[in-house]
Amino acid sequence: DAEITQSPRHKITETGRQVTLACHQTWNHNNMFWYRQDLGHGLRLIHYSYGVQDTNKGEVSDGYSVSRSNTEDLPLTLESAASSQTSVYFCASSDGTSGFPDTQYFGPGTRLTVL
Amino acid sequence: AQSVTQPDIHITVSEGASLELRCNYSYGATPYLFWYVQSPGQGLQLLLKYFSGDTLVQGIKGFEAEFKRSQSSFNLRKPSVHWSDAAEYFCAVANQAGTALIFGKGTTLSVSS
Repeated sequence: DAEITQSPRHKITETGRQVTLACHQTWNHNNMFWYRQDLGHGLRLIHYSYGVQDTNKGEVSDGYSVSRSNTEDLPLTLESAASSQTSVYFCASSDGTSGFPDTQYFGPGTRLTVL
Repeated sequence: AQSVTQPDIHITVSEGASLELRCNYSYGATPYLFWYVQSPGQGLQLLLKYFSGDTLVQGIKGFEAEFKRSQSSFNLRKPSVHWSDAAEYFCAVANQAGTALIFGKGTTLSVSS
């Protein structure tokens, strides 16, 4: 069955370190998204991609970057981790071929703690 | 700009009772609306979506939602709640480009026995 996976599921890091969170989907979807989830804020869009070599900034993109070198993967990099980036991170993907908003399928999430 | 408001942060319902979770959106054109559910420690799962047509939408797990343009609302309902329905529920609207979702802050549902 097609799926979307994230790794690691839990990560503890120190302030100032570079961290990369992996997202891999086997749906062959064009669109991929990264969200962060914080209490009282719901889910907020960090970055998204509509296809290979395409990346776009979302609502809360400062301090984060992504690259899309193939269809299946959209890794999220925190260039210099800050305590404010402690959060749960969700990756999602959608088909993107219909011309209409698609159902987004979510991964299980990565809980990141920055000390 | 598009936005989604879920007025209730936390709701407690008795098992077997009916449920209605409120969602109000702000959007100029015909919205594309979604309800997702998140069980503890899990990712989000789509319950149902509205794109056009019949304003009463049926979803999985016995949920339904009604789109009311005059009230800018898309409330989620279930006639009889089960203990397994305890979770966090998110309403979302597609952005103007139609390719990303704007989420409400969520409503936590607790089910009492």
